[in-house]
Amino acid sequence: AAGVIQSPRHLIKEKRETATLKCYPIPRHDTVYWYQQGPGQDPQFLISFYEKMQSDKGSIPDRFSAQQFSDYHSELNMSSLELGDSALYFCASSRGRNNEKLFFGSGTQLSVL
Amino acid sequence: AQTVTQSQPEMSVQEAETVTLSCTYDTSENNYYLFWYKQPPSRQMILVIRQEAYKQQNATENRFSVNFQKAAKSFSLKISDSQLGDTAMYFCAFMKPGSGYALNFGKGTSLLVTP
Repeated sequence: AAGVIQSPRHLIKEKRETATLKCYPIPRHDTVYWYQQGPGQDPQFLISFYEKMQSDKGSIPDRFSAQQFSDYHSELNMSSLELGDSALYFCASSRGRNNEKLFFGSGTQLSVL
Repeated sequence: AQTVTQSQPEMSVQEAETVTLSCTYDTSENNYYLFWYKQPPSRQMILVIRQEAYKQQNATENRFSVNFQKAAKSFSLKISDSQLGDTAMYFCAFMKPGSGYALNFGKGTSLLVTP
């Protein structure tokens, strides 16, 4: 069965650079969530989208933005990167807005040097 | 805001034995979902088990079962017949319907299964 696809798997950036993370949900899933997991930390909810509209917002910095496209894939754009942005970024998807069954991707490991 | 507390940062168990991971949460909601996620060294986030708060019956998934005590706001995970592949970080998580269905995670319990 198809799973949530995240790209790239690993990304290395310098401070003050920008990064774009991509998430391709499971086919027919219309809801996407982004989570950030720092080293040794629990995942923190950043933002979610349903039917291409922002659904909920968590602890996402103003330097980050995200959107969901017409094919339901989502991109997380991160600017003015800081050392503290180094983390594993998870994307999860679900079918329908009111669905507690989230499926996680394998994550993108971002390292900011 | 909901808080999820996992009071055991690390635990270990011998293969084939049973281990229980504890989780408590704080909420004023009556309807919600609780989850246990497993994160092995690969860092993939894997759903272990899910409990709906309005269901009194404890959820079970093969060797994994929960003890859900709604009044006490407790949601422990029991792993029976532990296997080496169960070695992982285990996260307890809370989800409130209508909040965008975002998960609120605890700090995690690192479980080591030894031969």
